[in-house]
Amino acid sequence: QVQLVESGGGLVKPGGSLRLSCAASGFSFSDYYMSWIRQAPGKGLEWISYISSSSVDTKYADSVKGRFTISRNNAKYSLSLQMNSLRAEDTAVYYCARGGAETLPTDFWGQGTVVTVSS
Amino acid sequence: DIQMTQSPSSLSASVGDRVTITCQASQAIGNYLSWYQQKPGKAPKLLIYDASDSASNLEIGVPSRFSGSGSGTDFTFTISSLQPEDVATYYCQQYDNLPLTFGGGTKVEIK
Repeated sequence: QVQLVESGGGLVKPGGSLRLSCAASGFSFSDYYMSWIRQAPGKGLEWISYISSSSVDTKYADSVKGRFTISRNNAKYSLSLQMNSLRAEDTAVYYCARGGAETLPTDFWGQGTVVTVSS
Repeated sequence: DIQMTQSPSSLSASVGDRVTITCQASQAIGNYLSWYQQKPGKAPKLLIYDASDSASNLEIGVPSRFSGSGSGTDFTFTISSLQPEDVATYYCQQYDNLPLTFGGGTKVEIK
């Protein structure tokens, strides 16, 4: 069955960096766009980035552009999110998700990893 | 950015009731709209994509009491007969244009 397992979350100070990873299984990873979506505590959902199946195309929300970088390794069935210059407002549960681009629905989500940015 | 206005923000209904949630986009998005269910402490789960509940758009395993309709700017999500296991927050999302945006959510409770 489809599985997405995130890791790498934790507590980091403002201005710090963190790298999130997502291990995929149960589907042909290289056939799918992949995304990161986050949810601040008690808040709604915010799309933050996607990467095309071959890594040719990446897109970011304005709130993270220039600070976050999405990447993937199709051979290892893995997705990553490098987060730099972290701010308190980046505190959230970060979900790895399959799909999620223009005209492509987000059809499966991982369980999420918690990122807390605090001094 | 396309704003998704979802209403109501919360509702309380009895088991067996028909429940309707609406989602309005600030500009036309065709039928590029999905509906998600999120239970407390869990990840969102896709219920409906491409706006409607036609056989090809209701996610596999999703009960048929869930349905969706609409196109353009106005969309509706319906639970035909509310069940206790449907207690959750429901979100709409447009995927016509970047940034992909979500409605604010509707928290559904049992009366």
